[in-house]
Amino acid sequence: DADVTQTPRNRITKTGKRIMLECSQTKGHDRMYWYRQDPGLGLQLIYYSFDVKDINKGEISDGYSVSRQAQAKFSLSLESAIPNQTALYFCATRGAGEDTGELFFGEGSRLTVL
Amino acid sequence: GNSVTQMEGPVTLSEEAFLTINCTYTATGYPSLFWYVQYPGEGLQLLLKATKADDKGSNKGFEATYRKETTSFHLEKGSVQVSDSAVYFCALSGGSNYKLTFGKGTLLTVNP
Repeated sequence: DADVTQTPRNRITKTGKRIMLECSQTKGHDRMYWYRQDPGLGLQLIYYSFDVKDINKGEISDGYSVSRQAQAKFSLSLESAIPNQTALYFCATRGAGEDTGELFFGEGSRLTVL
Repeated sequence: GNSVTQMEGPVTLSEEAFLTINCTYTATGYPSLFWYVQYPGEGLQLLLKATKADDKGSNKGFEATYRKETTSFHLEKGSVQVSDSAVYFCALSGGSNYKLTFGKGTLLTVNP
C-alpha cells in the first residue's frame, strides 16, 4: 500500500459544487502539503500544515480551504468549484526531523470542473 | 524569493542518447536541490538530491552536481532508455526549509 494515499483519484464535477479531496499518510510525518499541478506551470503550493493546530496558506490559497483532522489526515476543499480549478492535485508529507526538505507525494487526484 | 528555472521541453531522444536537462536557481542562503520524476499517471518521486555545494546526487544512472558558482543543478544521463520517458522537475528547499519550490517541469520522451 502507498505511504501517502489520496482519494478520489479522479473526479468530474460541475461549477458551483463543493468538492473535498482527502489525503492520509502512514509515514508518521507531521508536515503535510497540498500542491496543484497545471501543464507548463509546475507545482504550486496551496496550503501546508506543520501539525494539527498549524495551518498556513501557500502561493495560491484563494478558493480553497483545508482541514487537518489528525496527524495522518489532511483534506482540501473547494467550497464552490470553478472551471479554472481543473487540475491535478497532489498531497505531500515531510518529517520534522528531515532537514533536507525532501517531500513524499501521493499519486494525485485529477479534478475536472465543467 | 526562491525560484527555479529549468529547460523547457518537450525533449525527444532516441534510446541510448545522452541527456542533459538544465536547471538554474535563485535562492538566499544554502538550499538543498532536488530532481523529482513523474512517470505517466503517477505522483512525483525523488530521483536524486544534493544538500551542499559540489555534492553530486546520483540514482538510476542519472547524475546532477550542485554548482554554487553557477547556481545550477543540471541533470544528466549517459544513455537513456524508453523507460526514462517522464516529466522531470528541478526543485529547491531553502530558507526555513518548510516547502519546495519547483521548476515548470520538462517532458522527456525516449523513442526505441
